[in-house]
Amino acid sequence: QQQVKQSPQSLIVQKGGISIINCAYENTAFDYFPWYQQFPGKGPALLIAIRPDVSEKKEGRFTISFNKSAKQFSLHIMDSQPGDSATYFCAASTRAGGTSYGKLTFGQGTILTVHP
Amino acid sequence: KAGVTQTPRYLIKTRGQQVTLSCSPISGHRSVSWYQQTPGQGLQFLFEYFSETQRNKGNFPGRFSGRQFSNSRSEMNVSTLELGDSALYLCASSAGGGTGLYFGPGTRLTVT
Repeated sequence: QQQVKQSPQSLIVQKGGISIINCAYENTAFDYFPWYQQFPGKGPALLIAIRPDVSEKKEGRFTISFNKSAKQFSLHIMDSQPGDSATYFCAASTRAGGTSYGKLTFGQGTILTVHP
Repeated sequence: KAGVTQTPRYLIKTRGQQVTLSCSPISGHRSVSWYQQTPGQGLQFLFEYFSETQRNKGNFPGRFSGRQFSNSRSEMNVSTLELGDSALYLCASSAGGGTGLYFGPGTRLTVT
C-alpha cells in the first residue's frame, strides 16, 4: 500500500515537445506529492510539489496535474529542452500516524531524453 | 543559503568494515532524512531525525543507524558492511511542515 508506481521508465521527446510522466499511488493517506529532477552525479532537486486540495499547479514550464479520485498525478514539461534531459522521480508522503514529510515514497524514476 | 553538504563524497570500504557518513543541513533546517539510492531498488528511505530524535525509520537492518546533533548535523553509520550496501547515500533536510525536502549531492559508497 506504500507503493508509488511511475511510468514510463524512459521517454524520448523532441525539443519543443511536451514530456508527460505519470504516477499512481495506493495509500489514500498520502497528502503531499513532490517531483524531483536528478542529473548524473547529483542529488535529486525539488522541482514542484502539490497537495490534494488542488487539481493543478504550474511553475514555469512544469505543471503537476492531480486526480484524487483516480489516485494519480502527472508531470508535464512544456517546450522541453535538451537541458531537461535527466531522471525524474515522483514521490508521495503523509503526516498521518505521526510520520512527517521527511519520509518520501519514491517512484522508480523516468529517464527523459530531449533531442535537439 | 548554502545547500545540504555531505562528506565524504566517495568512499571505498571492504566487506565487514564499518563506515560513518556526515551531513550538514541547510541553515535553519531542523529535520534531516537519509536515503539509499541503488539502480535496482531506487530511492529508499532510511530514517529521519528532528531535534536529535529519530522520528521515522525505514525497512533496513539494524546495521544501519544514525544520529543527529544539537546543531542539526547528522551522521549515519553502517556496520559490518556487505557488498549489497554499495549505493549512493543521500541526506536531505527540511524546515518542516511540507516546505520541501532538499537533497545533498550524496556519498558514493563502494563495498569490495
